[in-house]
Amino acid sequence: QQPVQSPQAVILREGEDAVINCSSSKALYSVHWYRQKHGEAPVFLMILLKGGEQKGHEKISASFNEKKQQSSLYLTASQLSYSGTYFCGTEHAGNMLTFGGGTRLMVKP
Amino acid sequence: DTAVSQTPKYLVTQMGNDKSIKCEQNLGHDTMYWYKQDSKKFLKIMFSYNNKELIINETVPNRFSPKSPDKAHLNLHINSLELGDSAVYFCASNSGRYGYTFGSGTRLTVV
Repeated sequence: QQPVQSPQAVILREGEDAVINCSSSKALYSVHWYRQKHGEAPVFLMILLKGGEQKGHEKISASFNEKKQQSSLYLTASQLSYSGTYFCGTEHAGNMLTFGGGTRLMVKP
Repeated sequence: DTAVSQTPKYLVTQMGNDKSIKCEQNLGHDTMYWYKQDSKKFLKIMFSYNNKELIINETVPNRFSPKSPDKAHLNLHINSLELGDSAVYFCASNSGRYGYTFGSGTRLTVV
């Protein structure tokens, strides 16, 4: 079952923060986050494996609430290079990642 | 370069034709995948394959078939192409509980 991402789109000024949410109706083994720029392949950002885990990647971090079956991606002090579409991917059973519908992020100067 | 490579990058073909897309990874990963990305950017899993098991997304028409000659290759064969098959197809690979590495994609246009 496809996870639900919100919001669908975000427009930011450089330096502003954003949060992207991902929720699932099924129990999660892991949550992945990817960024895709126009015309390119999705690029892996991070994976969260445990309940309550939080990870960081420069100014991009994420949390995973296993009980609530939710994950959030935090983008702080956004840069122009952060623009793109962000996808969460959820793993339930087996080994296939199911992606959310994506969140389009545009960072303006 | 270590990577996941797909060929061709672009494929334009007529309805009813049969076509294949090739994928190779030199990362030593155990599992390979095919994803379809439609015009609304939705990424849909089609297949997951390692040397032990093929997992097929039940919603994928049986006109689509993965073929894996060895652990480093997973090709996608499509029979009787339809207009609705037009999309970008991504190959990906990973091992264990690690992130996926995607190929650069194949843009398929059926006319």
